[in-house]
Amino acid sequence: GAVVSQHPSWVICKSGTSVKIECRSLDFQATTMFWYRQFPKQSLMLMATSNEGSKATYEQGVEKDKFLINHASLTLSTLTVTSAHPEDSSFYICSARDHRDSGSYEQYFGPGTRLTVT
Amino acid sequence: DAKTTQPTSMDCAEGRAANLPCNHSTISGNEYVYWYRQIHSQGPQYIIHGLKNNETNEMASLIITEDRKSSTLILPHATLRDTAVYYCIVRSPNQAGTALIFGKGTTLSVSS
Repeated sequence: GAVVSQHPSWVICKSGTSVKIECRSLDFQATTMFWYRQFPKQSLMLMATSNEGSKATYEQGVEKDKFLINHASLTLSTLTVTSAHPEDSSFYICSARDHRDSGSYEQYFGPGTRLTVT
Repeated sequence: DAKTTQPTSMDCAEGRAANLPCNHSTISGNEYVYWYRQIHSQGPQYIIHGLKNNETNEMASLIITEDRKSSTLILPHATLRDTAVYYCIVRSPNQAGTALIFGKGTTLSVSS
């Protein structure tokens, strides 16, 4: 089945630094990837839609200059949290859509990245 | 997307069937019912989906009422590893390129 990986699985960084999270589709090509954020005891919240070769589309309330998304290839999207602050500590999850898949599951999810900003 | 309503939490004894309900009374004719689950600190996992017929796979069964206004996800023999948050999502095929939107889901606790 389709597999999506994320790296790192967890990261601790100091306030004010930047952190990059990678999302890879391992056995399929993904023209579209999605980034979610999940705070403790809450549901997943969509942050942005990442399209290969074009600018990401951000959800209302998500700062595009703070959460930089790059989708430079059909198998890789990156999320960079710039000038991280403790309130950015969260569980970040990506998902990808197989560009050939016209139905069914539609999205395959990565295992998530736990970010802790100290 | 049609709105879905799920109970906040449910308990189930290990080995018994877990029946998770979902209300989607405003569902449109071309909208499918999808079920995903999220085990703690992991990404969501696809379980099953259906349009109007009942569906079964190796993980679960999906029972959709004839009027399609509600459905039930059935885990026939729940195990401790089935403890998770279960999300019922309704969407149409023309939303294939858009992100899944998650509600609050049902927290299923399976105990021995």
